[in-house]
Amino acid sequence: DQQVKQNSPSLSVQEGRISILNCDYTNSMFDYFLWYKKYPAEGPTFLISISSIKDKNEDGRFTVFLNKSAKHLSLHIVPSQPGDSAVYFCAATVGSSNTGKLIFGQGTTLQVKP
Amino acid sequence: EAGVAQSPRYKIIEKRQSVAFWCNPISGHATLYWYQQILGQGPKLLIQFQNNGVVDDSQLPKDRFSAERLKGVDSTLKIQPAKLEDSAVYLCASSLNPGGAWETQYFGPGTRLLVL
Repeated sequence: DQQVKQNSPSLSVQEGRISILNCDYTNSMFDYFLWYKKYPAEGPTFLISISSIKDKNEDGRFTVFLNKSAKHLSLHIVPSQPGDSAVYFCAATVGSSNTGKLIFGQGTTLQVKP
Repeated sequence: EAGVAQSPRYKIIEKRQSVAFWCNPISGHATLYWYQQILGQGPKLLIQFQNNGVVDDSQLPKDRFSAERLKGVDSTLKIQPAKLEDSAVYLCASSLNPGGAWETQYFGPGTRLLVL
């Protein structure tokens, strides 16, 4: 039972354009969502997060949108840069939990072409 | 600030052999996590420590996997005996305060295990 799904294994965009990465979840208890970025041979690094009390969170070129009714979130990167080429993981958790256990999606490989 | 350290970076073993991974978290981080990432999947939590106590090990295959965190700092994860399906990257992560959703988890580079 995969509670967090990233249905697009890969995405290719041109430098300067917008990249949109999608994530769906099934567990209605999830109320805190995160995006991690992973380069080859490195561990994932935290990128941006959003609480369910918000529908948008922005940090520079990165914006995460949350649609609770659809159980869907997306990460927008504008403008995309070649250095953004990496694997992006969506993760979800129950914010009130005392463990902080993260449930990850399968990841989407983003390629930004110069 | 030094990041999460893991060793070895790569390991190749034959099935039924044993293997151990080591993790040194960021200094002062109370919470330590071990994840398993199988190719094409996202990381899956195996075990979480808070200081030297286990918080969550619900997804750890306890018949073959074991982990310890002595003195609440370094941790080792052991597999004995290994199976083909254990081939994966094993990631260690740490967070500053006792685990909560708001605490950022910092990941090490991982140990890539291949079981032949």
